[in-house]
Formats: sequence, structure tokens, C-alpha cells
Amino acid sequence: AQSVTQLGSHVSVSEGALVLLRCNYSSSVPPYLFWYVQYPNQGLQLLLKYTSAATLVKGINGFEAEFKKSETSFHLTKPSAHMSDAAEYFCAVEGGSYIPTFGRGTSLIVHP
Amino acid sequence: EPEVTQTPSHQVTQMGQEVILRCVPISNHLYFYWYRQILGQKVEFLVSFYNNEISEKSEIFDDQFSVERPDGSNFTLKIRSTKLEDSAMYFCASSELTNLGADTQYFGPGTRLTVL
Repeated sequence: AQSVTQLGSHVSVSEGALVLLRCNYSSSVPPYLFWYVQYPNQGLQLLLKYTSAATLVKGINGFEAEFKKSETSFHLTKPSAHMSDAAEYFCAVEGGSYIPTFGRGTSLIVHP
Repeated sequence: EPEVTQTPSHQVTQMGQEVILRCVPISNHLYFYWYRQILGQKVEFLVSFYNNEISEKSEIFDDQFSVERPDGSNFTLKIRSTKLEDSAMYFCASSELTNLGADTQYFGPGTRLTVL
């Protein structure tokens, strides 16, 4: 069984501030983990994925995420938020099947 | 860069009518998927398709739903008799087949289905 919990349905930051979007997972086998971004009226775009190699994963647009097995977490960070980062972010886990389970999503709001 | 495309972008239909949502996966991909996202809720898996047959389906994917790959490029989702609760955004995705199995899924922009 696999599941994902994203803490906070909305996260609000100022432009230039650190972005931290939280994701905790549950999986009965070593998981693959993903972060997707969804801009308004668009589909899901892969930001980054963890597939059991390096625990710190770098993705597109300056985002990165760190896999912490002891905390069952895969939080997404970016040092400095841009207005263009405003979107919905989804964490997903694959644990033994090729079908990801998605979290409920976190809406990132960036203030000027 | 290759991408998954979906048509139409928005479909409005009357309850009880049949709808067909269309997807063109990335050309060298072999796994195909449908997901739905009811407004304000999480993305939910519906079905996966490989080698011209369903490989997995969720409990949402009941007898009202069917999928087909009618030719070498299209992948369709049919809802036979739509219900109000079928109103959602439907996403198609595709992935390559690697020696580890299905690879990262690439999503289309979605079709917004509105059932009146």
C-alpha cells in the first residue's frame, strides 16, 4: 500500500523568499517519489523524481527535494521564489507498481 | 520536445450522453494512462493500458468506462452514460517501457468534462 500526505493546502511566500512544500509518504516497499507542478489550465509537469540514487534530487526551475527515509519525507524546496512559481504542486509515490498515488496538492502563492 | 496532446480541451454534455475523450501519447511510449481530477481534489488513477489491453484499473473505472487504442496514435476514454459526478478534468499520460518497467509518466493538458 502507498499513500502521500501533503501538509498545507496553501503556502504563501514573498518573492525572493524560501519555498518549502512538505510531503510525507507511506510505502511498503522502497518507493519512487515525484513532484509535479500544474500551472493554471495546464497538465501536470514533472519537476523532479527520486529513484533510489542520490537522496538530494535537483529538478527544473531551481527546485530540489531531499529523500529522508527516517522521516518518510520528500519535501520540495527552492531558495528564492519567483512570481512564475505560483502554481499547484503535487507529490506522488510509486511503491511497487507503476501507478503513482498523488497527494491532494499544495497551492503555492507568491506575493510581490 | 514531444508532448502528450488531448482533445477537446473542454467538453460539455448532458447527463446520460456518451462522451469520448481523445489523447495522442508520445510516439515511442508504450504505456498509457487515464487519470481524473475532480475540482479541488487530488488526481486519481483510472486505468493503465499496455500491449492493447488494460493492465490495471481502479475502482472508479467501472463498466461505464472503456479505453481503446483504435489506431497507432490515438488513445481514447469513453464514458457510456455520463453522470453529474463524472464532471472533472481528465488527464491522459504515457510512459516508455524500460528494463525496469514503465518509466516516468508524461501528462497531457487535460480535458475538462462538464456534465449538465
